[in-house]
Amino acid sequence: SAVISQKPSRDICQRGTSLTIQCQVDSQVTMMFWYRQQPGQSLTLIATANQGSEATYESGFVIDKFPISRPNLTFSTLTVSNMSPEDSSIYLCSSGQGGETQYFGPGTRLLVL
Amino acid sequence: KQEVTQIPAALSVPEGENLVLNCSFTDSAIYNLQWFRQDPGKGLTSLLLIQSSQREQTSGRLNASLDKSSGRSTLYIAASQPGDSATYLCAVLSGTYKYIFGTGTRLKVLA
Repeated sequence: SAVISQKPSRDICQRGTSLTIQCQVDSQVTMMFWYRQQPGQSLTLIATANQGSEATYESGFVIDKFPISRPNLTFSTLTVSNMSPEDSSIYLCSSGQGGETQYFGPGTRLLVL
Repeated sequence: KQEVTQIPAALSVPEGENLVLNCSFTDSAIYNLQWFRQDPGKGLTSLLLIQSSQREQTSGRLNASLDKSSGRSTLYIAASQPGDSATYLCAVLSGTYKYIFGTGTRLKVLA
């Protein structure tokens, strides 16, 4: 199994600012994923991050708003840019591939004022 | 487009009851289905993974079944305990290797 950690665990930010969330996996993985969970909602995939290539974004999510880095096989960052109150959510990263169990980090709870 | 629905949205039962959570999906061409548990304000914990070729998986008091042709999965929890209180999510892997999550069932087990 993979153990995933995220930093920060929570943050309160002012609108118009940016926050970078870090995701660390304890083993090398090919694929990492970033999800958003808005209050009372299920999870929505933001993008898939593969090492050595540009992230693949889902419909409704753009790189300018959610830039992602994947510098190596154990680490990824998600930046939430120019935040507004609508960005208040839990952001989760996960790792996995194909039919394997997907492991999730503890999440970053973001509140934008 | 794959859609995943979970019924009921919320469930409250007395301790010791056996219960069934339901998950349905619209596109039967899936690779696998997973059941997750999420505690309030926390991340997700994978409970059971069923490959498309399998009919069921068991772990302790949990049993998950899969009927791919009818687009249904059930999670059976035996002898429920207050510690089982959480939100249960199912997710299917299909198409372009990304998981589509259901809306979740909020379970409360009363002592």
